[in-house]
Amino acid sequence: GNSVTQMEGPVTLSEEAFLTINCTYTATGYPSLFWYVQYPGEGLQLLLKATKADDKGSNKGFEATYRKETTSFHLEKGSVQVSDSAVYFCALSDLGGYNKLIFGAGTRLAVHP
Amino acid sequence: DGGITQSPKYLFRKEGQNVTLSCEQNLNHDAMYWYRQDPGQGLRLIYYSQIVNDFQKGDIAEGYSVSREKKESFPLTVTSAQKNPTAFYLCASNPWEGNTEAFFGQGTRLTVV
Repeated sequence: GNSVTQMEGPVTLSEEAFLTINCTYTATGYPSLFWYVQYPGEGLQLLLKATKADDKGSNKGFEATYRKETTSFHLEKGSVQVSDSAVYFCALSDLGGYNKLIFGAGTRLAVHP
Repeated sequence: DGGITQSPKYLFRKEGQNVTLSCEQNLNHDAMYWYRQDPGQGLRLIYYSQIVNDFQKGDIAEGYSVSREKKESFPLTVTSAQKNPTAFYLCASNPWEGNTEAFFGQGTRLTVV
């Protein structure tokens, strides 16, 4: 079945460091891919998305490219801030199952001044 | 403003009680979902619904029930049969037009006392 695998956290960085959170997926067909962010005690917010191969999603300095050949959707940011501290979830849309989202386990990011 | 409203934000349940979590959306979305999140873990799908009066079990439906009498509403009942109900519950919706992202509520934290 469809699945998403994310790198385990926590990821701890200093402010202005480069961020990469790895995400790979297994899916039939051509699902859309998403990154969501969750701040403490809150729901999930969409960070970015890509709907087809080679698409690059971007938002708030974060980027991710839909790589079909490596089945990956790694999240990157060139210079993180303390305010980026949160849990990040990679997800895909299950096209054969009511378009429900399948999530990775989440990666906690802690950025220190 | 359009969005998804979950209530209450915090809920306490005694052993053996049923409790109902509310989820309302004014986005005119067809599909709605309930997810469960445990500390340090990803999201697991409990139930989902594509249209009114139709819903499907997700990966962890045992001990839960739902109804979808109105397009806007998708309440979740946590029954006494759910052995470990303490968790953070998230409701989501999307237009179900293929490859679209889901929008999330702010969540309900349920604690068994």
